[in-house]
Amino acid sequence: DGGITQSPKYLFRKEGQNVTLSCEQNLNHDAMYWYRQDPGQGLRLIYYSQIVNDFQKGDIAEGYSVSREKKESFPLTVTSAQKNPTAFYLCASSNPRGVGEGANVLTFGAGSRLTVL
Amino acid sequence: AQSVTQPDIHITVSEGASLELRCNYSYGATPYLFWYVQSPGQGLQLLLKYFSGDTLVQGIKGFEAEFKRSQSSFNLRKPSVHWSDAAEYFCAVAPPSGTYKYIFGTGTRLKVLA
Repeated sequence: DGGITQSPKYLFRKEGQNVTLSCEQNLNHDAMYWYRQDPGQGLRLIYYSQIVNDFQKGDIAEGYSVSREKKESFPLTVTSAQKNPTAFYLCASSNPRGVGEGANVLTFGAGSRLTVL
Repeated sequence: AQSVTQPDIHITVSEGASLELRCNYSYGATPYLFWYVQSPGQGLQLLLKYFSGDTLVQGIKGFEAEFKRSQSSFNLRKPSVHWSDAAEYFCAVAPPSGTYKYIFGTGTRLKVLA
């Protein structure tokens, strides 16, 4: 079945360390996204990518970096510059130019929980 | 500014009772509208969506939602709640073209009493 795989499910980081969260999709979607979820704040967009080798900052990009070297993959690096990185991170993808039932719908992975020690 | 408001942070209902979760949005034009559900520690699953046409849309798990343009609302309903419906529910909007900027509400956490 097609879907989005995020890894690891749980990640612990010491202050000052960079960590990378993996996101892989086999839905053949052009667009991929990273969201951060904190209790009571809904989902906030970190970065999104419309196409390979292109990405744009979202609302809270500071302290994060991404790459999109392959259509299937959109890893997120949480750098030491992110002052409060403890959160639940969600990767998603969509087919914004498609037609049919799944077009323009975000599909989510199961999430990665990052805790700073 | 574009925004989505879910005025109820928590809702508690008894199993078998009806449910309505509210969602209001502020947007320049009629956006695409979505409801998602999230179980603890999991990703979000699409319940239903509205793009155009019939303003009453049916989704999975027996949920439905009604788009009311005059009230800028997209409320989610279920006639009879099951204990397994306990979760957090998110309303979201997106522009009808070049859909990349999805805006989410802060969520409503549903508790179901046996």
